[in-house]
Amino acid sequence: GAGVSQSPSNKVTEKGKDVELRCDPISGHTALYWYRQRLGQGLEFLIYFQGNSAPDKSGLPSDRFSAERTGESVSTLTIQRTQQEDSAVYLCASSPGQGNTQYFGPGTRLTVL
Amino acid sequence: QKEVEQNSGPLSVPEGAIASLNCTYSDRVSQSFFWYRQYSGKSPELIMSIYSNGDKEDGRFTAQLNKASQYVSLLIRDSQPSDSATYLCAVKGNTPLVFGKGTRLSVIA
Repeated sequence: GAGVSQSPSNKVTEKGKDVELRCDPISGHTALYWYRQRLGQGLEFLIYFQGNSAPDKSGLPSDRFSAERTGESVSTLTIQRTQQEDSAVYLCASSPGQGNTQYFGPGTRLTVL
Repeated sequence: QKEVEQNSGPLSVPEGAIASLNCTYSDRVSQSFFWYRQYSGKSPELIMSIYSNGDKEDGRFTAQLNKASQYVSLLIRDSQPSDSATYLCAVKGNTPLVFGKGTRLSVIA
């Protein structure tokens, strides 16, 4: 079966523009996670969706960041008014449920000029 | 603040040696523990998961968990140059998975 997919793989944008990143989880996985990884750094948790429960947004760094997920399908991470410090790889992961192994997508490399 | 600590490295070992990677965590109610491997420019991939105290072996990899000491480790036997990567420890309690910053391993041929 297909793994987690993300699009675009690379995104270059200008400071101040909005960007939207997409994640397609593994079919049947109820949990979906977004992480940010700056160059040479660890994974920063951003947001977590579990089924139809309210998402855990505790990792979102500012109100410029938001994410949506419809049911147990695709998720989009939106960054408004991008800043240079938003440049990073944004990783999405899905799992069969909370606490289970997470499977990562290939990531979206975002560069803000 | 739930924390997962790892030595950033680099940890250099000769080919064929045992590489020992260590991780400590702060949340005593942590229940699930994972080791991920991340090659440069790639996304993390799961190596091992462990849920109870003791050792768990899978091929050349052994995960060790000591909940009393809040310590989890990964041993890689017969290290190969292809094992050179960053190894991420991840811990799950009542919150979403918390990742350490990773230990960079370099296996020298």
